[in-house]
Amino acid sequence: AQSVAQPEDQVNVAEGNPLTVKCTYSVSGNPYLFWYVQYPNRGLQFLLKYITGDNLVKGSYGFEAEFNKSQTSFHLKKPSALVSDSALYFCAVGDGDDKIIFGKGTRLHILP
Amino acid sequence: DTGVSQDPRHKITKRGQNVTFRCDPISEHNRLYWYRQTLGQGPEFLTYFQNEAQLEKSRLLSDRFSAERPKGSFSTLEIQRTEQGDSAMYLCASSPRALDDSKYEQYFGPGTRLTVT
Repeated sequence: AQSVAQPEDQVNVAEGNPLTVKCTYSVSGNPYLFWYVQYPNRGLQFLLKYITGDNLVKGSYGFEAEFNKSQTSFHLKKPSALVSDSALYFCAVGDGDDKIIFGKGTRLHILP
Repeated sequence: DTGVSQDPRHKITKRGQNVTFRCDPISEHNRLYWYRQTLGQGPEFLTYFQNEAQLEKSRLLSDRFSAERPKGSFSTLEIQRTEQGDSAMYLCASSPRALDDSKYEQYFGPGTRLTVT
């Protein structure tokens, strides 16, 4: 069965510093990987996806993610964090039947 | 606003009562999904529709839960005889029917927060 793991419940980063939110995956077959963000009192928003192609995927709000097949990882990154990036981030994987399996989430705190 | 909408946003009910939630997807999207999210967890898949057909139901969806999408547009999720364990955020999402990989781009509504007392 497809699954993702987010090893960190919370990540704290100073504003202006680079940020990384970690995700590892377990899939049979080709991975369909996603990152979503959830702001307080709002629905999940799609950030980016990896299907095939370049291992570095660029998404919304300046975020990018690096697909690493050998390490089965799909970490979310941003070169310079903003306070407004503070939110709950979910890594997810497509299950091959048009459904998405989400990780538990990582709460990102950007400190001013 | 052409996004996914859900109604109500909040619902407080007493144990044993029935509740119904509504989801209006993005109009050109033919797939509609229901998820449940509890505190500290990611969304968990409940069920999904393609047009009016309910294609899959999770084992999480007990007999007390029923979902419909009668005309392939809006959907309702009903919970009968609510229990305290049903307290959660219920999320709806829609996606286009696409032959390419954009079918995985699900657009979420703001959710309905259910509290069972």
